[in-house]
Amino acid sequence: IQVTQSPSFLSASVGDRVTITCRASQDISSYLAWYQQKPGKAPKLLFYLASTLQSGVPSRFSGSGSGTEFTLTISSLQPEDFATYYCQQFKASPYGFGQGTKLEIK
Amino acid sequence: EVQLVESGGGLVQPGGSLRLSCAASGFTFSSYWMSWVRQAPGKGLEWVANIRKDGGEKYYVDSVKGRFTISRDNAESSLYLQINSLRAEDTAVYYCARDYPAAYSYAHDYWGQGTLVSVSS
Repeated sequence: IQVTQSPSFLSASVGDRVTITCRASQDISSYLAWYQQKPGKAPKLLFYLASTLQSGVPSRFSGSGSGTEFTLTISSLQPEDFATYYCQQFKASPYGFGQGTKLEIK
Repeated sequence: EVQLVESGGGLVQPGGSLRLSCAASGFTFSSYWMSWVRQAPGKGLEWVANIRKDGGEKYYVDSVKGRFTISRDNAESSLYLQINSLRAEDTAVYYCARDYPAAYSYAHDYWGQGTLVSVSS
C-alpha cells in the first residue's frame, strides 16, 4: 500500500488554516495515523484511526477521511505548529509513511 | 511514565553488523506489539519491522528482509534489531516505537530518542 502526501511543502502564517492531504493506493478504511515531527526530535502522535485525537493534542488539530483520502487540518496555526507532518497507514504491513509535509512560516 | 531508550548504534563498515537495543519501562511491555522505524539524514520516516507481543509474529519492509531480525525479551522489557550485511542506504536514525493500542497496531504512540547507525568505509 503506497501512501502519498500533498503538498510536500507549505508556507503559512500564524493564524492561518491549513490542510494536508494523504492518499492511499487502496482502501485502508480508517487505519491511518498522523504525526508531527520537529527537527532533531522523535515524531509525536496526533491522530490514530484517522480522526481520533491523541491525548494532549490541541483541539485546533482535526483529522478526517476514510477509504483512500484523508486530511489533517490545523484551524489556526500557532508558532509551535511549524514542523513536518507525516501520515502512516496501518491497514497492512509494511506500515508505510507518506513522504512528509514541511510546514514553514511565511 | 513510558520510556523507550535505544542503544547500540555507531559507525560500521559496509557488510558489517550491529545489534540495536531498546529498553522499555513504565508500561507492561509484554502486552504491546513493538516496532522499529528509521529516518535517513534529512529524509522521511520509514517503517522497518514490528513484532507481536509474544514474539510469535514478525513483519519487515521488503528492503530489509533477510538482513534484519527483530526480536524481544519480555522478561527484560527489551526490544532488539539485529542488522546484518549493512549498506550505505541503511544509514539512519533508528527509533524504537510502541504500537498502540495494546494487542493491536493502529499507531505508534511512544517513541525513543533514536540511535544513529552510520554505514561507511
